[in-house]
Amino acid sequence: DAGVTQSPTHLIKTRGQQVTLRCSPKSGHDTVSWYQQALGQGPQFIFQYYEEEERQRGNFPDRFSGHQFPNYSSELNVNALLLGDSALYLCASSAATWTANTEAFFGQGTRLTVV
Amino acid sequence: GDSVTQMEGPVTLSEEAFLTINCTYTATGYPSLFWYVQYPGEGLQLLLKATKADDKGSNKGFEATYRKETTSFHLEKGSVQVSDSAVYFCALRLNNAGNMLTFGGGTRLMVKP
Repeated sequence: DAGVTQSPTHLIKTRGQQVTLRCSPKSGHDTVSWYQQALGQGPQFIFQYYEEEERQRGNFPDRFSGHQFPNYSSELNVNALLLGDSALYLCASSAATWTANTEAFFGQGTRLTVV
Repeated sequence: GDSVTQMEGPVTLSEEAFLTINCTYTATGYPSLFWYVQYPGEGLQLLLKATKADDKGSNKGFEATYRKETTSFHLEKGSVQVSDSAVYFCALRLNNAGNMLTFGGGTRLMVKP
């Protein structure tokens, strides 16, 4: 079991550009969440996808958008990049049968640097 | 809104010392509580969890007890090792909020031989 895989691992973009990050969930999982972790801070919830639809969203502008594919993999898109978007972007997957014991599994993240 | 507050680090200990990392939370409902660990250059790994008041989560010698009366979930370990050096995050999840986790700011632990 490969676990949650993210690509690329590192990325450098210029301010104003657009970026796409990718995530493949753990086998058997159908729900994907994205988090932004700025340097020295805790992860912040961006949004969650289930059945190819955005189900929940955190306090992020609509420059942040996503997509989920029929195979449950997901993309995070960020438009009009700002220097403040530089962060580690984490993907987490879980099964949709949410109970108090449902566990989220995290990928190793994509380090985005905006210059 | 819901929030998690952790003691600021870094926490520097000698090997075999006792560890406590404080965590308190504010939540509108009845959350599940988690501790995650992040080793350098890696993502987050679940360390332990507790889903209701008075539950004790434990793993790899780490323990934390869900205290509803003090809204706390402090992480403890009786004897730390150099390999425990990492950043530790306390988190909550409301049971009606899908799988959305709210994290604290993290506490860096450095263990010296």
